[in-house]
Amino acid sequence: EADIYQTPRYLVIGTGKKITLECSQTMGHDKMYWYQQDPGMELHLIHYSYGVNSTEKGDLSSESTVSRIRTEHFPLTLESARPSHTSQYLCASSEYQTASSYEQYFGPGTRLTVT
Amino acid sequence: GNSVTQMEGPVTLSEEAFLTINCTYTATGYPSLFWYVQYPGEGLQLLLKATKADDKGSNKGFEATYRKETTSFHLEKGSVQVSDSAVYFCALRQGGSEKLVFGKGMKLTVNP
Repeated sequence: EADIYQTPRYLVIGTGKKITLECSQTMGHDKMYWYQQDPGMELHLIHYSYGVNSTEKGDLSSESTVSRIRTEHFPLTLESARPSHTSQYLCASSEYQTASSYEQYFGPGTRLTVT
Repeated sequence: GNSVTQMEGPVTLSEEAFLTINCTYTATGYPSLFWYVQYPGEGLQLLLKATKADDKGSNKGFEATYRKETTSFHLEKGSVQVSDSAVYFCALRQGGSEKLVFGKGMKLTVNP
């Protein structure tokens, strides 16, 4: 069973507010990811990290930023929320050992609505 | 670049119907292939995977076979249940990469 947590699960916030979405995992995984899921269900990788102090932009440009100060924690921050940021945000982690064992574990997601 | 194409939904079936969700991929070399499932209000869960040609992944009555000759990884289940209602994602991982490439997902609804 995956041990990856996201808070809050649901957030409704006004335009211009700063928000931080939390993601934590207790599996000791080095690799962590943030995905944005649009209403059509498609997943877009927006950030990833290969370990502490490592952060990279994903395939979809995002105004959010991330940090990785501790292995278990990978928060995502929006400095000034806009209605276009309304979406579902999914966090994941992985630990490559062999091709046959590779798996990304996903958190339950944060559904963000910006009014 | 690498890509995954899966059949688009939404799809509605009656309980006990046969399910096929098509998935084809474009990649160099020999990627690993995955099916993930997302139940309502939850994150994604790994359903099954295959890491080399002709491998068959199976779980919870679902099966998919890695077909290199047709670059496909179609998901099948002989008799769906209401509890199988979810969004299904096909994905690949290129060797040497830590990232997954996902298809667009397909929403399945199973009615009693």
